[in-house]
Parts: sequence; C-alpha cells; structure tokens
Amino acid sequence: AQTVTQSQPEMSVQEAETVTLSCTYDTSENNYYLFWYKQPPSRQMILVIRQEAYKQQNATENRFSVNFQKAAKSFSLKISDSQLGDTAMYFCAFMKQETSYDKVIFGPGTSLSVIP
Amino acid sequence: GAVVSQHPSWVICKSGTSVKIECRSLDFQATTMFWYRQFPKQSLMLMATSNEGSKATYEQGVEKDKFLINHASLTLSTLTVTSAHPEDSSFYICSARVRWTEAFFGQGTRLTVV
Repeated sequence: AQTVTQSQPEMSVQEAETVTLSCTYDTSENNYYLFWYKQPPSRQMILVIRQEAYKQQNATENRFSVNFQKAAKSFSLKISDSQLGDTAMYFCAFMKQETSYDKVIFGPGTSLSVIP
Repeated sequence: GAVVSQHPSWVICKSGTSVKIECRSLDFQATTMFWYRQFPKQSLMLMATSNEGSKATYEQGVEKDKFLINHASLTLSTLTVTSAHPEDSSFYICSARVRWTEAFFGQGTRLTVV
C-alpha cells in the first residue's frame, strides 16, 4: 500500500520570502503521479502542481516548483515570493498511473501561514 | 481545468433523517468518482470509489449501508447519508477523473446533524 508523509504540521514564512514544504512517500509502483494541493479556508481543493514519475525534470508553475527525488521517494514544494494568499493547508498526494480507478492518497497536510 | 460541482455546499439535518449530496462533472464525463470525508484540521479520508453503472467500492471501515453511493451516469454521483447522527457531521468532498488525468474536486459539503 502507498503512504504519504508530511513531517511539518505547521510552517510560517514572511511575505516575499521562500519556503519549502517536505513530503516523502512509499510505493513499489514505477508509474505514478505526485501532486501538491492547496486547501484555503474556503476548503476548495486547488491543484498547485503535478509531477509524473517518469519525468526527471522537476515541475514548475510560476512561483511554485518541486524537488522530485525518485530514488529517495521525496517530493518537496518550494514557494517563492510568498504571498498572503498562499496561506492555506497544503497536501502532498500520490496516485498510481494505471487505471481510471486509481485513487488519490493524501498526506496529513502542512498548515502554512504567510506573515505580512 | 475541468469543473466539478457539488451540491449543497452546506446542509443541516435532524438526527435520524437522510441527506443526499450530489456531485456533477460539468464539462467532462467522469469514468470514476471518489468520495472523501474530512474532519477539522485533518486530511482527506477516502470513503469510496464509484464507477458509472457499477457498485461502489468502499474503503475498510466505511459502512456501505450508512453511506449509499450511486453513480447513475458519467456526470453524476450521489452520496446519501442514511439515518444521520451527530457523529456523521463532517465535510464531504467528491472528486472525479477521466482516464490518465488527475482528479478534479468539488467545493465540498458541510453536513451538520442536530
């Protein structure tokens, strides 16, 4: 079974600074997706960034980038130039890339506060 | 991205009654839909996976007679909480997928049982 671990329950960062959220996972699969989702106070789940395991290049989306270390099973999220709107829960997630029935498995989450 | 609409956004019901939550994929046909439950300050816990036209697959520990899931079409899945009790109060989130894509999430339903 796959598991996702986030070792930082809470983090804070000054506005305009950079912060890195950690995530590790455990799987015996070779083909899978990794995601970072953001859940603001509205509780709507928002996809921040996606990484396909077969791609060696780290994914980037504007101020968000990941450091994907497949051998180490590590998938950290870096947020640059932090903004007040980045305050939210962040969930690291895993999904097998096999069938349409494959479910998304979430880590416990990291609560990020951006301080003005 | 694709849009998943969940209705209602919040509902209050009396203990012992049933409540239905709808999840619709608005601009795509979802081969699979998932239902999650989220307690305050916790992660999303998968309750069940449903595929159009077939019975839902429930996760261990989830009572299938309590949480009835119907996936009648490729754009609609419903979750019915039967004989609701205060301990069923929670935030319920659905998500939908088509093959080879990530999951898209509804906005969630806050259920309060009084």
